Amino acid sequence: GQQVQQSPASLVLQEGENAELQCNFSTSLNSMQWFYQRPGGSLVSLFYNPSGTKHSGRLTSTTVIKERRSSLHISSSQTTDSGTYLCALLSNTGNYKYVFGAGTRLKVIA
Amino acid sequence: DPKIIQKPKYLVAVTGSEKILICEQYLGHNAMYWYRQSAKKPLEFMFSYSYQKLMDNQTASSRFQPQSSKKNHLDLQITALKPDDSATYFCASSQGGNSDYTFGSGTRLLVI
Repeated sequence: GQQVQQSPASLVLQEGENAELQCNFSTSLNSMQWFYQRPGGSLVSLFYNPSGTKHSGRLTSTTVIKERRSSLHISSSQTTDSGTYLCALLSNTGNYKYVFGAGTRLKVIA
Repeated sequence: DPKIIQKPKYLVAVTGSEKILICEQYLGHNAMYWYRQSAKKPLEFMFSYSYQKLMDNQTASSRFQPQSSKKNHLDLQITALKPDDSATYFCASSQGGNSDYTFGSGTRLLVI
């Protein structure tokens, strides 16, 4: 089965609204990372967050190891936030290989 | 300046031909990776290298061969290209096997 499940698959927001993206893991977590994939395809690292809560501007990531999940909160969304958000898992069973979820496709409309 | 350089950005190839995708990283990382992203599929792990040695290979086909001539290079040679190989190929690097990744901007390959 899939090791990394992301929800929702897609999301449309009005500019200014908040969003909560979820990432659930079927295996024990060693570390995880959130990425933003631009519409053109390039990947930008948002957070490396093996545990706890991290903040960066309007973004907050919270990883709860015991519950095998991580969330990404986007506050006061902007049209430039549109794109795909990916989470990736590095499991306890092996290093040197992040496994990616299918992503959440976000569209923010003005 | 980009920290991971992938060349070329776009590549069109004829079925049956051979191509090499270039990846160089200037982050001083000791681990490098290749991932593939086909249309409407998640990013798929292909290979990982650490200190120029193969750590993991999840690619079933031997047509895909990584080549590491220098510690900051990990090229990907693809032989006998097929239309199903059409995808964007991403290179990434990290410091050690348990740390954050940095990705290159990808090479978009179309096999006709």
